[in-house]
Amino acid sequence: EAGVTQFPSHSVIEKGQTVTLRCDPISGHDNLYWYRRVMGKEIKFLLHFVKESKQDESGMPNNRFLAERTGGTYSTLKVQPAELEDSGVYFCASSPEVSGHTDTQYFGPGTRLTVL
Amino acid sequence: AQSVSQHNHHVILSEAASLELGCNYSYGGTVNLFWYVQYPGQHLQLLLKYFSGDPLVKGIKGFEAEFIKSKFSFNLRKPSVQWSDTAEYFCASAPGYSSASKIIFGSGTRLSIRP
Repeated sequence: EAGVTQFPSHSVIEKGQTVTLRCDPISGHDNLYWYRRVMGKEIKFLLHFVKESKQDESGMPNNRFLAERTGGTYSTLKVQPAELEDSGVYFCASSPEVSGHTDTQYFGPGTRLTVL
Repeated sequence: AQSVSQHNHHVILSEAASLELGCNYSYGGTVNLFWYVQYPGQHLQLLLKYFSGDPLVKGIKGFEAEFIKSKFSFNLRKPSVQWSDTAEYFCASAPGYSSASKIIFGSGTRLSIRP
């Protein structure tokens, strides 16, 4: 079974440019999450999709960040315009829809974003 | 609000030493707890998790963790570490009332094992 994949693995852009990150969850997983780790700090939640709907976007830092999950499959996270403080590693995770207790989230390798 | 704190930023041990990484969480309700590990160049992966029942949880690669509710702690232990345990370890929590919710991570502990 293929794991969570993310593209690109690295991105270096200049301040003011736009970048789009992509996440392909494990096939059949309804839940898709985005997290971010700024250097040296904790991994922080950004948002959660259930299928194509945003379930929780309380962690999105500001309106320069736009996440989509058309069709409930892969997701994109666009940063426009990028600022220096957006640099970090962006992780995607997915989990199946299982009732009862919090299910395991499976993480992708992350996209390292550097804004110069 | 939920939070997770890890006591050690960087731990250095020799092979065969015993390991204990501290973790405390802050949440008033039912909580699910996790330890994730990220080996160099690899994905974050689940080491072990606690949902309910026996507070002593066994994970992969000989790791275990003990949930102590009165202390709000979930420390990770291994009796004898190996060089291959060099990695970054993250303690995390999530509310227990939902099957799918955001995970709150601690800041991570980098473990270096001297061969």
